[in-house]
Amino acid sequence: SQQGEEDPQALSIQEGENATMNCSYKTSINNLQWYRQNSGRGLVHLILIRSNEREKHSGRLRVTLDTSKKSSSLLITASRAADTASYFCACGGYNKLIFGAGTRLAVHP
Amino acid sequence: DAGITQSPRYKITETGRQVTLMCHQTWSHSYMFWYRQDLGHGLRLIYYSAAADITDKGEVPDGYVVSRSKTENFPLTLESATRSQTSVYFCASSGQGSFSNQPQHFGDGTRLSIL
Repeated sequence: SQQGEEDPQALSIQEGENATMNCSYKTSINNLQWYRQNSGRGLVHLILIRSNEREKHSGRLRVTLDTSKKSSSLLITASRAADTASYFCACGGYNKLIFGAGTRLAVHP
Repeated sequence: DAGITQSPRYKITETGRQVTLMCHQTWSHSYMFWYRQDLGHGLRLIYYSAAADITDKGEVPDGYVVSRSKTENFPLTLESATRSQTSVYFCASSGQGSFSNQPQHFGDGTRLSIL
């Protein structure tokens, strides 16, 4: 069974807009990770946020974690066409890292 | 260049055949993983290895065999391929420490079709 579930399943925006993707999970976690997957490629790690952290930044990426709501969000600011990809959250527990089904992001020039 | 490489990138085979997917990493990472990716399921863990000669089952291990005689290699074998094993297979690695607390580094996958 999946631990993380992303929302929305698909997102279509224009270049320059912000993109927000959400991840909800059911059981307690040690950390939550976000990955990007370009078409035909493997997953690339973006950011890891630990359960005692609330927010983390990396370049144009901002990740928040709300353990009381069991949810996380990934915000990509000032999106570019090159951000077009699928984005996955992965919930890290004891000897487990469980991936969600992903959000497909399309950024149009 | 350092990294994680999978071979072949594409493979077509027939039901009942044995097929082996190869994975090689140059980071000397302790952990290695095999996932399958199917539409609507995200990534599901098949097997993982914490070190040479140490392997363990993941979520969907049935029909698969792994070995890890060397730290850098982690082959995945389908002993008697079935159509339900048609999928994209990803190998990944991560460093020491609990694997759930480390970023994983992925290869570009093997697209396997079983006719």
